[in-house]
Amino acid sequence: AQKITQTQPGMFVQEKEAVTLDCTYDTSDPSYGLFWYKQPSSGEMIFLIYQGSYDQQNATEGRYSLNFQKARKSANLVISASQLGDSAMYFCAMRLPYNQGGKLIFGQGTELSVKP
Amino acid sequence: EPEVTQTPSHQVTQMGQEVILRCVPISNHLYFYWYRQILGQKVEFLVSFYNNEISEKSEIFDDQFSVERPDGSNFTLKIRSTKLEDSAMYFCASSERLVNEQYFGPGTRLTVT
Repeated sequence: AQKITQTQPGMFVQEKEAVTLDCTYDTSDPSYGLFWYKQPSSGEMIFLIYQGSYDQQNATEGRYSLNFQKARKSANLVISASQLGDSAMYFCAMRLPYNQGGKLIFGQGTELSVKP
Repeated sequence: EPEVTQTPSHQVTQMGQEVILRCVPISNHLYFYWYRQILGQKVEFLVSFYNNEISEKSEIFDDQFSVERPDGSNFTLKIRSTKLEDSAMYFCASSERLVNEQYFGPGTRLTVT
């Protein structure tokens, strides 16, 4: 069965340092997509970064990069040079194939706190 | 930059009442979704919609739920007879194609009393 696991309920990082948020997934489908979303205390879901299962290179978007290790089924989010505004809940998600409606399944989330 | 919008931002209703949550997806997007998030929990898929029909729905999406795209811009979620356990944040999302990222609206916080 498809599953997303985030094992870190909470993480702390010092401002300006880098932090890695863990995500592992389980699927037998060869075609899938992996996403990270940020949810600040205001509640909205902000898309951060996407990695396709066939992409050869790790995705990067500004200070965000996705460390995609297909054999290990992991898709960790790396935030470089943390800022106070990065404090939020972070969700890893996997997009299922077309025959399952392309829906996203989410992990439990990691609450990141950036310390000044 | 185009964005998904949702109204209302907060809805309070009494148990047994009908509610309609409204969403305007990004204009060139073809795939539409509803998700919900009970307070403190993870986001759960409810339903996906493409080409004017439901393409997938979860176990949560029972006969009390329905979705509609009444015109070219709106996408609605109706709950016919709300229960206390329907209290949650409801997110609408859309994507241009199936393989693209899904963009979420700001959510509607539904409180059933």
